[in-house]
Amino acid sequence: QQPVQSPQAVILREGEDAVINCSSSKALYSVHWYRQKHGEAPVFLMILLKGGEQKGHEKISASFNEKKQQSSLYLTASQLSYSGTYFCGTENNQGGKLIFGQGTELSVKP
Amino acid sequence: DVKVTQSSRYLVKRTGEKVFLECVQDMDHENMFWYRQDPGLGLRLIYFSYDVKMKEKGDIPEGYSVSREKKERFSLILESASTNQTSMYLCASSNYPRGTGMDYTFGSGTRLTVV
Repeated sequence: QQPVQSPQAVILREGEDAVINCSSSKALYSVHWYRQKHGEAPVFLMILLKGGEQKGHEKISASFNEKKQQSSLYLTASQLSYSGTYFCGTENNQGGKLIFGQGTELSVKP
Repeated sequence: DVKVTQSSRYLVKRTGEKVFLECVQDMDHENMFWYRQDPGLGLRLIYFSYDVKMKEKGDIPEGYSVSREKKERFSLILESASTNQTSMYLCASSNYPRGTGMDYTFGSGTRLTVV
């Protein structure tokens, strides 16, 4: 079942913060986050495996809630280079098959 | 760095043609995947493979087949191309054991137009 991402699109000014959410109706095994710039391949950002986990660094980080049904990606003090489409990918069990959300298009303006 | 190479960046094919999309990875990864990407729909899984000569259907396998004769190569086949298969196709690979947190590496994609 495809996870639901929100928002679908967001426009920021440099230095502003953003949060992208990824939700599932069932508990997940893991959540992956990827960023894709226009015309390029998606690039891996991070993976979360444990309920309650938070990881990343101060600029780009992510969390996985205790029930393992929702993850959020946090983009702090955004830079122009953050522009792109962000996808979450979810695994329902330890099977290695990722199901991706619809994507969130992020545009950072000067 | 792992590289996933897709043979064509752009393809234009006619309706009814048999189309082959090729994907090669150079890091001995066990798992390979084919996705199609459409605006507003994200990436949808077509087929995947965890081993040579092994294949499993993803969420949207209709109209497609795959072949994995060698570990490094995973081919997507459109048996009779139709206009609704116009899309961006992305190949990805990941390492074994699956599901333990190994990330996917994607190719740059093949933009297929069926006319």
